[in-house]
Amino acid sequence: DVKVTQSSRYLVKRTGEKVFLECVQDMDHENMFWYRQDPGLGLRLIYFSYDVKMKEKGDIPEGYSVSREKKERFSLILESASTNQTSMYLCASTISGRGTYEQYFGPGTRLTVT
Amino acid sequence: AQKITQTQPGMFVQEKEAVTLDCTYDTSDPSYGLFWYKQPSSGEMIFLIYQGSYDQQNATEGRYSLNFQKARKSANLVISASQLGDSAMYFCAMRDHGGSQGNLNFGKGTKLSVKP
Repeated sequence: DVKVTQSSRYLVKRTGEKVFLECVQDMDHENMFWYRQDPGLGLRLIYFSYDVKMKEKGDIPEGYSVSREKKERFSLILESASTNQTSMYLCASTISGRGTYEQYFGPGTRLTVT
Repeated sequence: AQKITQTQPGMFVQEKEAVTLDCTYDTSDPSYGLFWYKQPSSGEMIFLIYQGSYDQQNATEGRYSLNFQKARKSANLVISASQLGDSAMYFCAMRDHGGSQGNLNFGKGTKLSVKP
């Protein structure tokens, strides 16, 4: 079974702190994604990566950056956390191509910025 | 412009009855894929069912079926014989020409509550 893990289920940080959210997948997937989920807004794509060291902006990249140094690991970075970044963050991965390739999700990290 | 529309923020269904969750989509790409995910209160996203734009038959997976009406651009999820464990958020998603790396556009979700 595909397994996508995220470093923390719950995280509390202070405004202005630098925050790292880690995601690891064990199925050699090329593509990895970071989403943010807020009530009534569904899932919104922050960044995605289709290869090591490659990244593309999603719909809401402002205030975030990402890093992918190894194929299995995709990190989301909040350079200076703000209260409006309090949210659920979901990582996902999938193999490359346009077939029936569903995304596999991690358990999510609920981040609170105070 | 919103690509996926789920018009039902919340729905109730009696246990053992069938329920339909609505999803309409917007794309000009002839090749696309539609997905449904379930998110229980624990937070994980669970893949339920997939429909490709060229698939001739509606997709089915156990108690889940997808009512795909291409001309209407709708991809409704039908859950038969609802169970208490079906209570969750349900998200419709689409991958189209902008999704060559597997990008999905998600709807805002429908919260389904199954009553005993």
